[in-house]
Amino acid sequence: EAGVVQSPRYKIIEKKQPVAFWCNPISGHNTLYWYLQNLGQGPELLIRYENEEAVDDSQLPKDRFSAERLKGVDSTLKIQPAELGDSAVYLCASSLTGTRNTGELFFGEGSRLTVL
Amino acid sequence: AQRVTQPEKLLSVFKGAPVELKCNYSYSGSPELFWYVQYSRQRLQLLLRHISRESIKGFTADLNKGETSFHLKKPFAQEEDSAMYYCALLNQAGTALIFGKGTTLSVSS
Repeated sequence: EAGVVQSPRYKIIEKKQPVAFWCNPISGHNTLYWYLQNLGQGPELLIRYENEEAVDDSQLPKDRFSAERLKGVDSTLKIQPAELGDSAVYLCASSLTGTRNTGELFFGEGSRLTVL
Repeated sequence: AQRVTQPEKLLSVFKGAPVELKCNYSYSGSPELFWYVQYSRQRLQLLLRHISRESIKGFTADLNKGETSFHLKKPFAQEEDSAMYYCALLNQAGTALIFGKGTTLSVSS
């Protein structure tokens, strides 16, 4: 089992350019999360999917960020246009769906974005 | 408000010394709390959850509702314990984790 797979691992772009991150969750995990981790901070939730439905996107800056999870498996997080302050690690995580989350999230290795 | 506070950014101890990583929370009701760990060059992973009352790798954590704390403890630190530790709280809806800022534990010989 490969675990949660994210790509790219590293991305360097100039400001105002677009960027996209891809995530493949653990097979059978219906819940998928995108977290943002700024330097020296803990992960902060951006968006949560239950299957293909975005059920919590209240923290996603919708003016420049978008996400999708077609077919309820892989997910893509996009930033357009990127700003200097978007430099961070973007973490994808997945978990089994239940009536109550067990609290065990399985994280990917993260995608580190540097905006110049 | 739901919040997790980890007051120490860095904790440095010698091998064999006791370790206590502090975590305080703000929550209305009965919280569910977790410790996650990230070793160097590895992904973030669950270490333990308070509801299981388990000891993992010698670490334990007790929920103290009076002090709103969930400190992580180990009686004798090992060099392999060096890592970043995050305290996390399950949100009120039970749908996502709220993380603290993390504490770096450095164990030296």
